[in-house]
Amino acid sequence: DTAVSQTPKYLVTQMGNDKSIKCEQNLGHDTMYWYKQDSKKFLKIMFSYNNKELIINETVPNRFSPKSPDKAHLNLHINSLELGDSAVYFCASSKGINRGRRTMNTEAFFGQGTRLTVV
Amino acid sequence: DQQVKQNSPSLSVQEGRISILNCDYTNSMFDYFLWYKKYPAEGPTFLISISSIKDKNEDGRFTVFLNKSAKHLSLHIVPSQPGDSAVYFCAASARQAGGGNKLTFGTGTQLKVEL
Repeated sequence: DTAVSQTPKYLVTQMGNDKSIKCEQNLGHDTMYWYKQDSKKFLKIMFSYNNKELIINETVPNRFSPKSPDKAHLNLHINSLELGDSAVYFCASSKGINRGRRTMNTEAFFGQGTRLTVV
Repeated sequence: DQQVKQNSPSLSVQEGRISILNCDYTNSMFDYFLWYKKYPAEGPTFLISISSIKDKNEDGRFTVFLNKSAKHLSLHIVPSQPGDSAVYFCAASARQAGGGNKLTFGTGTQLKVEL
């Protein structure tokens, strides 16, 4: 009955490889996110999808490509992995409440994280 | 450019006492503030939030205070329990057209509640 689940929890891979991290939420939320926590413990947003549409795309190398097949899933594909990509990646979801042209914010629920180590 | 700052990397409190965690922000567009708790090898867990139209929100042992003029918020935990030992992250967001909730996080404060 996990709300936001991501797989795998640990991923060790060599430089240059391509890898994917999967995320699924069963909360019925319409917005999903990817956050990255680097070695200094900063948690920063990478992407956000609302109803399968990309709405937030921070300054992230285009080697990172999110894909949302439906509202409940947001996968992260990373091409040509580099040492600096080593971090913990968190998937999250939230429910937006529309008020006219803007959306009221609600809390985001996070997955348990995927620790990616590039060697 | 750290828009949300938690200047205390760690805090140690005795069981039963009050824990006060502080957070400062610089972006005046932020209108929604949250506190998350994080245990090792787990994702952040939502604790409590406050909208900018309020100055206080309470939920059981947890109370969040917002001082907009000072751009400061704090989380009070009373009484503190050993199970509260974790890293606490402050986060803030601004309303966005088109949906979404871009949270800007602080760097976290490690709380240790001692017996």
